[in-house]
Formats: sequence, C-alpha cells, structure tokens
Amino acid sequence: DIQMTQSPSSLSASVGDRVSFTCRASLGISKYLAWYQQKSGKAPKLLIFAASTLQSGVPSRFSGNGSGTVFTLTISSLQPEDVATYYCQNYNSAFGSFGQGTTLEIK
Amino acid sequence: EVQLVESGGDLVQPGGSLRLSCAASGFIFRNYAISWVRQAPGKGPEWVAGISGSGGATYYADSVKGRFTVSRDHSGNTVYLRMNSLRAEDTAIYYCAKVSVLAPERVSGYFDFWGQGTLVTVSS
Repeated sequence: DIQMTQSPSSLSASVGDRVSFTCRASLGISKYLAWYQQKSGKAPKLLIFAASTLQSGVPSRFSGNGSGTVFTLTISSLQPEDVATYYCQNYNSAFGSFGQGTTLEIK
Repeated sequence: EVQLVESGGDLVQPGGSLRLSCAASGFIFRNYAISWVRQAPGKGPEWVAGISGSGGATYYADSVKGRFTVSRDHSGNTVYLRMNSLRAEDTAIYYCAKVSVLAPERVSGYFDFWGQGTLVTVSS
C-alpha cells in the first residue's frame, strides 16, 4: 500500500501569512492527489483534486502543486476561518490512503 | 443537491455486528462509486471499503477484509456496510463519501461529497 506522510503535523501562523504544507507519497502517484479541509466536528471538505485543481466554491487563496511523490498545499493569505486540519489523499487506486494531517492554528 | 445521510452507528460489544446505512440523493445513484471512510478519535481518515456505481466491484482495506461487507440497493439509493467480528480498534466515526467521477464500474477517485458521519463504539 502507498503511504502518505504529511508535514508538519501542526502549524501556527498569523492572519495574512502565506502558509504551506507538504504531503509525500511512498510511491509515485502522478497527480492523483486530493486535499481536504476538516473543521472540528465536521466531515472533511474537498479543496483540491488532481494535485492542483481547485474545487468549485473554494477560495482562490488555496492552491496546490506537485506530482509524483511530493505535493504542497498553500494558503496565500491566512484567514481566521482557515483554522482546521488538512489532509491529503492519494486516489490512484481503489485503496485511497490519507495522510495523518496538518493542524493549522492562528497565532 | 447531493446529500448523503449515514445511520446505524451504535455501542456494540467486541465480537458483535452492526449494519450501517448511507442514504443518497441528488445524483444518479448508479453512476457513482461510494466509499466508507472512518476516523478514529484524534486520528486521520482511513479508507475502509468502496463499491462501484453498478455494484459489480468492491474493495476493502486489509484491516477489515473478511469482516466487513459493502453493498448497495439501487431501488432505495442506499449503500450498506455490514460489520462483523467487531474489535475495539473499529471504534470510529464512519462516513460515506461519493466518488466524483461519473464511471459506473470504477471505485477509485477523490470524494466530492461526504455524509455527516455515524459513530460506532466497540466496547464491553
């Protein structure tokens, strides 16, 4: 099975900061990578698919990049409502594995 | 509007059984795969099982293979997860999630809609 590793596990930043998270796959997955945002007590919400395509309705401050084994999610200007845990998921097979998440807090 | 509504979560003893349901609406049910994804307290999501839109293909995580069975009822637009021989480590919120790609025979894909989840607790 492909393992997904996210870093850092947590991150604290100020409103307006540019923040980035990393997701690494144990094997190459081309661009079969999605990012989800999960707020406390809620189901995950799709932000980005195909590594860099923004889901409809998601603010343009979110962006994704990468292919193969290394991927990044960037928030260009952090907003208070972005406090959440962010997960990556590979979907190049039926066995879609998730990373362990990066928890984002506001300083 | 796409909606997925899970039900059936409960407190069950180790070794027991449970059946979860996922009622779907707002899309052509037979065209899209549905997966079950669980999340233990304080942990990341874990994909558990998936079923193609046609119901002809099913896949399971190694951690549940042989114990869980996923099925779908096209007349009722419902996906089920039958869970047998439950263990403490199966304790989690169970979500059903719709795969985004219109492909009745495909199981893999990213999830564009999720239900609200149903809690399964395995404890004596």
